[in-house]
Amino acid sequence: GAGVSQTPSNKVTEKGKYVELRCDPISGHTALYWYRQSLGQGPEFLIYFQGTGAADDSGLPNDRFFAVRPEGSVSTLKIQRTERGDSAVYLCASSPLGQGSGANVLTFGAGSRLTVL
Amino acid sequence: AQTVTQSQPEMSVQEAETVTLSCTYDTSENNYYLFWYKQPPSRQMILVIRQEAYKQQNATENRFSVNFQKAAKSFSLKISDSQLGDTAMYFCAFMRRSGGYQKVTFGTGTKLQVIP
Repeated sequence: GAGVSQTPSNKVTEKGKYVELRCDPISGHTALYWYRQSLGQGPEFLIYFQGTGAADDSGLPNDRFFAVRPEGSVSTLKIQRTERGDSAVYLCASSPLGQGSGANVLTFGAGSRLTVL
Repeated sequence: AQTVTQSQPEMSVQEAETVTLSCTYDTSENNYYLFWYKQPPSRQMILVIRQEAYKQQNATENRFSVNFQKAAKSFSLKISDSQLGDTAMYFCAFMRRSGGYQKVTFGTGTKLQVIP
């Protein structure tokens, strides 16, 4: 597609439930990022994929959070046993790698707003 | 670890005037990029401007320009002829580049209000 697509746009769930957030990056973008943005804060790094593998998952807050990108395109962020503190906007971004003019520039999706009641 | 600091939580500017947003960063890297992103209420992050650390010339994009001071680790954004559509959160970001790996760290943002 023309841009980064994230679904759902909004998700309301109850404490303790499992949620999946999906990111469909720009076709051909090798790098994919997940960020979490709490109200009034800057995006906080969660995980970074190069292709299918997680090159850096140091931002995942605990083992309830997991992300996959099995075919090197679509990625899913999975949150188990959700807590109220998980409420935030989850942003996905993608980028080509290399030396071209578009390389290293992140293109963001509109985010998925997660509310845990 | 890299840190990015934006010391101005909120700023306002009259329409058509000029405003400068501050950003400082801390890194031991020598090869990196710096960015300013804009996030309007729609929450879509939009790239405003990019600076490569090895380039001494300050980047400009129409009404947007930066003052990049590498030794001081400072990267401010100047918006000239401010327009109502410039109202948004502005985030400074640092991208480390090392062997093809690129991690991006964001500041906490500056909320800019353009007043008619």
